[in-house]
Amino acid sequence: GESVGLHLPTLSVQEGDNSIINCAYSNSASDYFIWYKQESGKGPQFIIDIRSNMDKRQGQRVTVLLNKTVKHLSLQIAATQPGDSAVYFCAENMQGAQKLVFGQGTRLTINP
Amino acid sequence: DGGITQSPKYLFRKEGQNVTLSCEQNLNHDAMYWYRQDPGQGLRLIYYSQIVNDFQKGDIAEGYSVSREKKESFPLTVTSAQKNPTAFYLCASSPTVQPQHFGDGTRLSIL
Repeated sequence: GESVGLHLPTLSVQEGDNSIINCAYSNSASDYFIWYKQESGKGPQFIIDIRSNMDKRQGQRVTVLLNKTVKHLSLQIAATQPGDSAVYFCAENMQGAQKLVFGQGTRLTINP
Repeated sequence: DGGITQSPKYLFRKEGQNVTLSCEQNLNHDAMYWYRQDPGQGLRLIYYSQIVNDFQKGDIAEGYSVSREKKESFPLTVTSAQKNPTAFYLCASSPTVQPQHFGDGTRLSIL
């Protein structure tokens, strides 16, 4: 079936380093992608999104890259801080659909 | 502040009992969603509603029911037919175009 998944379930980085979280998707009809951050005991928080007519989008300390050729999405976090420790999910939306498909998530741990 | 309020934060269910989880939003969003999250897992869609008085089953609707009588409210009932209800339940809303905004969840456990 169509699904969104993540290459790595856990990622540890040193404070101040850059982090890259990856996501593979299999539905070529997906035209909208979102990254969420979820802290323990809380709901997911929107970070950044990108549409399929773009290959890069930047926010504050975050960049999302979309490679439609290999159906790959990544989230780059610059100069990671302790507050970046969380689980990060990618989600895809198929064109015309009103629901998201979520990946399993990657737990990002920032080491001091 | 606008947002999504889920209550209660923690809920306990006895065997054979139905329980209802509340979700209220003041974002004036048309669409609302319910997800289930199990430990170490992603979110799975239970039900969603794009407009008042209308809702659709998601991927794991069995053992759950919903209603959408008001735009602001989308309660989820976990029925006794749901044999494994222990999970973290998340409600979300969105305008016609994504993204979805989430509440802080209700953790349901079995007594």
